[in-house]
Amino acid sequence: DSGVTQTPKHLITATGQRVTLRCSPRSGDLSVYWYQQSLDQGLQFLIQYYNGEERAKGNILERFSAQQFPDLHSELNLSSLELGDSALYFCASSVSGYYGYTFGSGTRLTVV
Amino acid sequence: EDKVVQSPLSLVVHEGDTVTLNCSYEVTNFRSLLWYKQEKKAPTFLFMLTSSGIEKKSGRLSSILDKKELFSILNITATQTGDSAIYLCAVAYSGGGADGLTFGKGTHLIIQP
Repeated sequence: DSGVTQTPKHLITATGQRVTLRCSPRSGDLSVYWYQQSLDQGLQFLIQYYNGEERAKGNILERFSAQQFPDLHSELNLSSLELGDSALYFCASSVSGYYGYTFGSGTRLTVV
Repeated sequence: EDKVVQSPLSLVVHEGDTVTLNCSYEVTNFRSLLWYKQEKKAPTFLFMLTSSGIEKKSGRLSSILDKKELFSILNITATQTGDSAIYLCAVAYSGGGADGLTFGKGTHLIIQP
């Protein structure tokens, strides 16, 4: 157990729907990062939050949004889902990037 | 645009062989280079390299960074079937109040008995 908890582990949903992925960072870590991993693209950075504030955006679609709550857990909201959104979504946390990043076990999203 | 390129993308060897995985990068605000092993799910941390020329070792795995030529290698000696995994190279960057990792696409290593 890495200390980063992601739920749910698996999610199957239909096109056009909206889902919410949840991440609880490791105790003491203030930063949360979301990544999308698909077979052909590898791990793509989506967005970073630090202590409740958005710090950086990567290749995140406008249909996707995220937030970090006062208890530091984070949610990634994916809406108007398309088949191409099927992927593994990882959350990582860090106290400071200088000390590395810890990954959760991911949420596998399948859009049918 | 930041870029991390790993080669080969896929590699099949026999148990006992030695393998070398390559990672080259072009990343602004470079801070460190990290190697991860990904089996079924979450990437698990192997090494963090910040200084050129200093080899890091962990058992049969070792890695070194060349910051002048912008590349790193990961060596695995006396490979075992349990080494079969995707090996990910990532470059940590920081700047403008943000930090994070840029990943390569990974090397899919298969060790045959």
